[in-house]
Amino acid sequence: DAGITQSPRHKVTETGTPVTLRCHQTENHRYMYWYRQDPGHGLRLIHYSYGVKDTDKGEVSDGYSVSRSKTEDFLLTLESATSSQTSVYFCAISEPSSGGTETQYFGPGTRLLVL
Amino acid sequence: AQSVTQPDIHITVSEGASLELRCNYSYGATPYLFWYVQSPGQGLQLLLKYFSGDTLVQGIKGFEAEFKRSQSSFNLRKPSVHWSDAAEYFCAVGGLTGTASKLTFGTGTRLQVTL
Repeated sequence: DAGITQSPRHKVTETGTPVTLRCHQTENHRYMYWYRQDPGHGLRLIHYSYGVKDTDKGEVSDGYSVSRSKTEDFLLTLESATSSQTSVYFCAISEPSSGGTETQYFGPGTRLLVL
Repeated sequence: AQSVTQPDIHITVSEGASLELRCNYSYGATPYLFWYVQSPGQGLQLLLKYFSGDTLVQGIKGFEAEFKRSQSSFNLRKPSVHWSDAAEYFCAVGGLTGTASKLTFGTGTRLQVTL
């Protein structure tokens, strides 16, 4: 158990409204990630963070912003939600593994419906 | 650019039968390979990973995978499937980047187990 929680777990919102999803971890891992999961696409990286206030874009970052003001929290914001952002959002953390790379562990997900 | 192909969208096997899920990757350097499993409505759980060394890796729940560099493959196997193995399986590839391990996922294979 990597100690990852996501909130909310489910959300319904309307087009044009701002939405913020929260990822919280309890084990001070340096790297945190946001993915979205859509049928036929697997998981796609939205943004990631490599430290407090250090973030970078992933594969599908348009329409999303992130912030990390504390090690334990990584926020994903949809500034103006659109129906195409209806998806399941997963947060992940990674921790060092033998061999020199990092292994990612995932949170339980947030199901977002934009009407 | 890195990519992962899981050619089988859906596979059905009988309980007790053997299983092989295919994964082909494209990566410009030494790949790090992962298999994750996702039960309905759940997050992703790490089954196994390959970084280096023995090309046959053992994971949890009786799964194993074999890395074949010449074929750019990392197929997942289980000798005898249980009904509880019904889930969606994702293969992912990443690499040693010096920073966060940005993974690329395949589109997944959904496994159905018949009794």
